[in-house]
Amino acid sequence: SYELTQPPSVSVSPGQTARITCSGDALPKQYAYWYQQKPGQAPVLVIYKDSERPSGIPERFSGSSSGTTVTLTISGVQAEDEADYYCQSADSSGTCVVFGGGTKLTVL
Amino acid sequence: QLQLQESGPGLVKPSETLSLTCTVSGGSISSSSYYWGWIRQPPGKGLEWIGSIYYSGSTYYNPSLKSRVTISVDTSKNQFSLKLSSVTAADTAVYYCARHGQYCSGGSCYQGGVDYWGQGTLVTVSS
Repeated sequence: SYELTQPPSVSVSPGQTARITCSGDALPKQYAYWYQQKPGQAPVLVIYKDSERPSGIPERFSGSSSGTTVTLTISGVQAEDEADYYCQSADSSGTCVVFGGGTKLTVL
Repeated sequence: QLQLQESGPGLVKPSETLSLTCTVSGGSISSSSYYWGWIRQPPGKGLEWIGSIYYSGSTYYNPSLKSRVTISVDTSKNQFSLKLSSVTAADTAVYYCARHGQYCSGGSCYQGGVDYWGQGTLVTVSS
C-alpha cells in the first residue's frame, strides 16, 4: 500500500525556521496537504495544494514541492506552533487518501 | 459556518459492528464540490483515512479496511454514516467525520484536503 514518510520529530528554538518533510512516490502527481493538530483537538488545515495557505493561517506557514518530497516550512517559529503536523495526499490513482505518520514539532 | 457532528455509541463489543453518523449543518451534503469522509486516530497514534463518499453515492475505501467498511449517505437528512464490522480492540480510536475538497485535472476529479472536521468521538472496543 502507498505510504507517506515524515520524520517523527523536529525541534527548533523560538524565532528559528522549522522544516518538516514528507516523501512519497506519487507526490509529483498528487497534491499534498498539511495539518496542524494540538492535543485534544481536531486537525486544522494549514497548507493545501502543496503551497496554498487557507485564510486565517499565519503567513509564517508555507509549503513547497520538489519531486517526491513536499516540505512544510514554519518561519519565525512561535511557542504556539508546538503541535503534531501531518501531511496528506493520495495514491497515484487519486482514489485512495493517505496520511503521513506525523511529525511532532517541539519548540525548545 | 459549516459544522459536522458525529454521533453514535462510545462503546462497542468485540466482533460487533461500529456505527456512526455525521450530521452536516450550515451547508448541503449534496454539493458536487465535496466528498464526505471518515478518519480515525487511535490513542497516541496518527491519522488513518477510513473512506469517503460523494453525494451521488460513489464510495472510496482504505484498502486495509475495505472488507469491513460501509459508508452511506442520506441526502434527505444531510447525513452520512459509517459502519465498521467485526471490530477488535485495534479499532479503538477517535473517529472524525470530515469534508474533503475536490480538484479536477486531466478530465478527472479527485478528493482534496479536509477543510472541515467534526470534533471527533471516541469509540472504545471492549467487552
